[in-house]
Amino acid sequence: EIVLTQSPGTLSLSPGERATLSCRASQSVYSNYFAWYQQKPGQAPRLLIYGASNRATGIPDRFSGSGSGADFSLTISRLEPEDFAVYYCQQYGTSPLTFGGGTKVEIK
Amino acid sequence: DVQLVESGGGLVQPGRSLRLSCSASGFTFSNYAMHWVRQAPGKGLELVSCISNNGDSTYYADSVKGRFAISRDNSNNALYLQMNSLTPEDTAVYYCVNTAYILIYWGQGTRVSVSS
Repeated sequence: EIVLTQSPGTLSLSPGERATLSCRASQSVYSNYFAWYQQKPGQAPRLLIYGASNRATGIPDRFSGSGSGADFSLTISRLEPEDFAVYYCQQYGTSPLTFGGGTKVEIK
Repeated sequence: DVQLVESGGGLVQPGRSLRLSCSASGFTFSNYAMHWVRQAPGKGLELVSCISNNGDSTYYADSVKGRFAISRDNSNNALYLQMNSLTPEDTAVYYCVNTAYILIYWGQGTRVSVSS
């Protein structure tokens, strides 16, 4: 199975700053079937990005995904107070689908 | 619109069984693989099981192999997860997930608590 490694584990930033989250796969992800999720305490994961770079419905354009092959990233251009949360990456191009361990974006 | 609605969760004693269901709508259910993903309290996301579009192929995480069984009813657009010999480590929110090429859809989840 494809192992996804997210970095950093925790990102401490201030509102208005730029956040860059990384996810590295143990092998190439088929057809860039790659997603990013945001999760806040007590809530279900919220799909942000699918297909590596496509924003899901209703997701603000300050969120962007990029990457291909085995290296992917999620960028939040300017952090809003509601963006402080845990972010997960996922590949769904090769069965079994797998998840990264998460990056917590916290207020500095 | 694609909708996935899970049901069947609840509080159950260790060693007992529970059957989760997922009702799907808004897409051709029989064309796509389906997955059960869980999240234990304070933990990350974990694939529990998945099943091919026609049910011929299944996958189970090592943590549930031999105890859980995934199945589907394509005539009724339904996905199931039979969970036997439950342990406290199975306590989690269970999500039904559909992958359709580049697209991916999640249900809102059903909570399973295993405790005496």
